[in-house]
Amino acid sequence: EDQVTQSPEALRLQEGESSSLNCSYTVSGLRGLFWYRQDPGKGPEFLFTLYSAGEEKEKERLKATLTKKESFLHITAPKPEDSATYLCAVRGTFMIKAAGNKLTFGGGTRVLVKP
Amino acid sequence: NAGVTQTPKFQVLKTGQSMTLQCAQDMNHNSMYWYRQDPGMGLRLIYYSASEGTTDKGEVPNGYNVSRLNKREFSLRLESAAPSQTSVYFCASSARDAITEAFFGQGTRLTVV
Repeated sequence: EDQVTQSPEALRLQEGESSSLNCSYTVSGLRGLFWYRQDPGKGPEFLFTLYSAGEEKEKERLKATLTKKESFLHITAPKPEDSATYLCAVRGTFMIKAAGNKLTFGGGTRVLVKP
Repeated sequence: NAGVTQTPKFQVLKTGQSMTLQCAQDMNHNSMYWYRQDPGMGLRLIYYSASEGTTDKGEVPNGYNVSRLNKREFSLRLESAAPSQTSVYFCASSARDAITEAFFGQGTRLTVV
């Protein structure tokens, strides 16, 4: 069974203070690792997909990296608008009948960036 | 382009009442999902539909039923609501046969009293 663990659960940063979020996973054959951002009262919003170890993706102040056991989401010089919960999810090769893109999510990291 | 639309956004039910949560997507996606999100539990898959005409149980299917009405619509039904079903429900969709991301609706906040 696929498992995803995110740490820390919560992170308080000063504006401009860079940091990293961790996503550790166990999966039977990784077919994709996904990062989402979720604002209070809203649905998760897609950020990145990573497919293989060594891959990196960037978007503004966010950079996602992937190894064989974990992924990191680096936030460089964050701004208050980066405050959100960041979710990590994996899709493995385990299939149930004609399964589609079944995702397993971690518990998320709540990030608060203070001005 | 609306993406994934869920209705209603908020609902309060009494224990034992039934209701149906509606979801529609306009991205021509084959796969659709229902998740629930609870504090400290993360997003957990209730049911999913890999394609029109098929549905399968996820991690926490007990107390729920689903209908894939057509390619666009995927509904979730609570036949006899229980307080343990108080949660935020999200519908999502993704392209099939491709390692692609899922797109989520805005959620339905359900309280069962």
